Amino acid sequence: EIVMTQSPATLSVSPGERATLSCRASQSVNSNLAWYQQKPGQAPRLLIYVASTRATGIPARFSGSGSGTEFTLTISSLQSEDFAVYYCQQYNNWPRSFGQGTKLEIK
Amino acid sequence: EVQLVESGEGLVQPGGSLRLSCAASGFTFSSYAMHWVRQAPGKGLEYVSAISSNGGSTYYANSVKGRFTISRDNSKNTVYLQMGSLRAEDMAVYYCARDGWMGFDVWGQGTMVTVSS
Repeated sequence: EIVMTQSPATLSVSPGERATLSCRASQSVNSNLAWYQQKPGQAPRLLIYVASTRATGIPARFSGSGSGTEFTLTISSLQSEDFAVYYCQQYNNWPRSFGQGTKLEIK
Repeated sequence: EVQLVESGEGLVQPGGSLRLSCAASGFTFSSYAMHWVRQAPGKGLEYVSAISSNGGSTYYANSVKGRFTISRDNSKNTVYLQMGSLRAEDMAVYYCARDGWMGFDVWGQGTMVTVSS
C-alpha cells in the first residue's frame, strides 16, 4: 500500500497571500495524483488531477505540480472561501490512498 | 445530472450490523469502479473499500477486513456496504465515490453511522 504524507498539518496564511501545500508518496505514483478540498459538513471536492490539471469549475488560482513522489498544491492569492482542509490522493494503485490532510486556516 | 445518493444512516449497538447503499444516476454505472471512504468526527478521510466495475475485484482496509462486505448491482445502479461486528471506531460519515480514473470525481453527500450502546 502506498502511504501519502502531507505537510504541514496546519498552514496559517493571510487572505491575498500564497499558500503552498506538499504531498509525498512512499513510492512513485507517476502523475496519478489528485487534490481535494473539503469544507465543514461537505463532501470532498476534486480540485486537481493528473497532478496539475484543474477539474471543471476550479479557479485558475489553484495549481498543482510534481510527479513521482513529490507534489505541490499552490493557491496563488487566497480568497476567504479557500480556507478549508486539503487532501492529496494517489490513484496509481489500489487502494487509492489519501494523505492525512492539511488544514488551511486564516492567519 | 451525475449523482450519488447514500442511504442507510443509523444508530447501531456495538457488535451490530448495518447496510449502506449508494444509488447512482446520470452516468453508466457499470463502467466505473466504486469506493467507500469514511470520516470520523473531526478526523481525516479514511479509505474503506472498493469494488471494480464488474464486481470481480474488491479491496478492504485492514481496519474493516472480515467485518465489511462491498457489493454492487449494476442492474440497479447501486453499490452496497454491508457492515458487521461494528465497533465504536467505525462511527463516521461514510461517503461513496466514483472512480473517474482521474481521482474520485463524484461523491455522495455522506451518511452517518453511529455506534453506541
